[in-house]
Amino acid sequence: SYVLTQPPSVSVAPGKTATITCVENNIGFKSVHWYQQKPGQAPVLVIYYDTDRPSGIPERFSGSNSGNTATLTISRVEAGDEADYYCQVWDTDRDHYVFGTGTKVTIL
Amino acid sequence: EVQLLESGGGLVPPGGSLRLSCAASGFTFRNYIMSWVRQAPGKGLEWVSGISGSGISTYYADSVKGRFSISRDNSKNTLSLQMDSLRAEDTAVYYCAKDSGSESYRVLDIWGQGAMVTVSS
Repeated sequence: SYVLTQPPSVSVAPGKTATITCVENNIGFKSVHWYQQKPGQAPVLVIYYDTDRPSGIPERFSGSNSGNTATLTISRVEAGDEADYYCQVWDTDRDHYVFGTGTKVTIL
Repeated sequence: EVQLLESGGGLVPPGGSLRLSCAASGFTFRNYIMSWVRQAPGKGLEWVSGISGSGISTYYADSVKGRFSISRDNSKNTLSLQMDSLRAEDTAVYYCAKDSGSESYRVLDIWGQGAMVTVSS
């Protein structure tokens, strides 16, 4: 089964770039998706299929996936980006959605 | 507008039962895999259960297998989760979520606002 490891927290100054990793052996062979969850709210999909953005998600959000690491990058960070972020893959062997451990992004 | 609205949450004693419902609107419900995802207080997301568009195939996390049962009524655009033999560790916000429908990958593109379930005496 998959264990998607994310850093517990990332701190970034406004206007800078936040990088959130999601590590699992050979994750580059999987499709990785990313969700943003603000306090008291439901998760929102921000990146799907490694690199694609749903409509309404700013271009500042981008994704990549290769080898053992998938990455969510938030450019020109704003105060409104402060949230928890989760990666997710589909476990084809068990027909399960698998979520990462989650990363809290704090804007300094 | 695509919308999911959960109901049925509440306080239940250990060993008790509760049934959650999710009313879907704004899309052709029967065409999509649906899931329940939960989040314990201060913790991360945990997928709980999923069901195919037809309702024929169901899937469960090991933590709830044998205790929870997912179902759907495509005539009423409703998803349900019957939770039996509840434990304290089942305390969480339960989200109803829709799969995107892609043939190539599984991703949850629409989420409800969640229903709080508290298991306590």
